[in-house]
Order: sequence, then structure tokens, then C-alpha cells
Amino acid sequence: NAGVTQTPKFQVLKTGQSMTLQCAQDMNHNSMYWYRQDPGMGLRLIYYSASEGTTDKGEVPNGYNVSRLNKREFSLRLESAAPSQTSVYFCASIKGQGAAETQYFGPGTRLLVL
Amino acid sequence: GDSVTQMEGPVTLSEEAFLTINCTYTATGYPSLFWYVQYPGEGLQLLLKATKADDKGSNKGFEATYRKETTSFHLEKGSVQVSDSAVYFCALIANTGFQKLVFGTGTRLLVSP
Repeated sequence: NAGVTQTPKFQVLKTGQSMTLQCAQDMNHNSMYWYRQDPGMGLRLIYYSASEGTTDKGEVPNGYNVSRLNKREFSLRLESAAPSQTSVYFCASIKGQGAAETQYFGPGTRLLVL
Repeated sequence: GDSVTQMEGPVTLSEEAFLTINCTYTATGYPSLFWYVQYPGEGLQLLLKATKADDKGSNKGFEATYRKETTSFHLEKGSVQVSDSAVYFCALIANTGFQKLVFGTGTRLLVSP
């Protein structure tokens, strides 16, 4: 099992450019998440998908869109990148709905918007 | 809303020192509590968890006890190593609604030889 994989690992964009961050998990998990990590702010939830075919906004969704392509894949799109979106982005997945379930995280995508 | 408060870092210790990283939470109901660790350049890994009051989570010499009366989940280790240098995140999942992790801001631990 590769667990949770993310591509790319690192990306530099100019303001206004668009890009899609890819995430895939091979653990047959139902729920997937996108977080951003900024210094001094911990991880903040951008969007999540409780199951295939559903997506919902998290704490900081503005400027992002997501697609749950199938059970394995959950992509995050920046339509028009802004410097405020410079961050490290983490994808995560979880098998069930129980509060004791463990979230598994990908290695992250480091994004720099100039 | 639900929230997690951690002590600010960095915490700087010498090898073999005792570690405490404080974590308190606010949540409705009885959340599950977690400590995650992030090593440089990597994603987050679950370190330990506790799902009900008075539970003690433990792993790799780290321990934390779920204290409902003080709404706390402090992380402790009796003797830290240089390899423990990392950022530690306290987090909770509320037992109501959809399970979303709520993170603290993280505490950086630096251990010197």
C-alpha cells in the first residue's frame, strides 16, 4: 500500500495562474480531506468529501474547488492563484465515520505563489 | 465552536530531559483526542490517541491522558532523544456531526545532544 499520495511535491505559480493538486489513496477509505498548513496556524480544513460523489466546505474554502473523481481520488483546484494561497497543502483520508478513526496524511504539496 | 489550544514553542530540551507539551480543548460532547507528529519535510503521522475520559494513549515512549475535568490532553515523555525533534499537533474529533479533525497550532520541539 502506498497510503496517501500527492502530486506535485512542489510548485511555483504566478498570480492568476491555475493548477490542480492531485491526491489519491489506496486504502479503500470513504472520506477524504484537504488541509492547508501555515506558520503559527496549524492545519485548517479547506474542503472534505464524506463519500464518493459528495463534497463540502471546510473552514477556509474561498479560492478553491474540489472534485471527488472516484473513491480513490480527491483533487483540489486553484482557479486563479493568489499570494495568500502560498502554503503547504495536505490531503488526508479516513476509513469510516467513527470519531476514533485515524486520519492518514499524504506527504504534502508545497505551493509558492509569486 | 470546537478548538484546541497548545503551548507555544519552540520547546528546547537537552537529550534525556523530561518533556511536557500542554494541550487543552473546547468541544461539545465527548471528543476523541489525538497527538500527531510532523518530522521535517514530511506529512503528519498519528502518535497516539484516546477516545474517552481517563484513557491513556501511548506510543514510542510518549503518553497522554484524556482529562475530562480539566479538558486537557498533555503530551509527556520521560527521556527525549534528538530524533524526537519535530512539530507536535494536538487535535480532536467531535463526536457530533461529520468527523473533522480540529488542530492546535503545533509546538516545535528541538532536542540537542
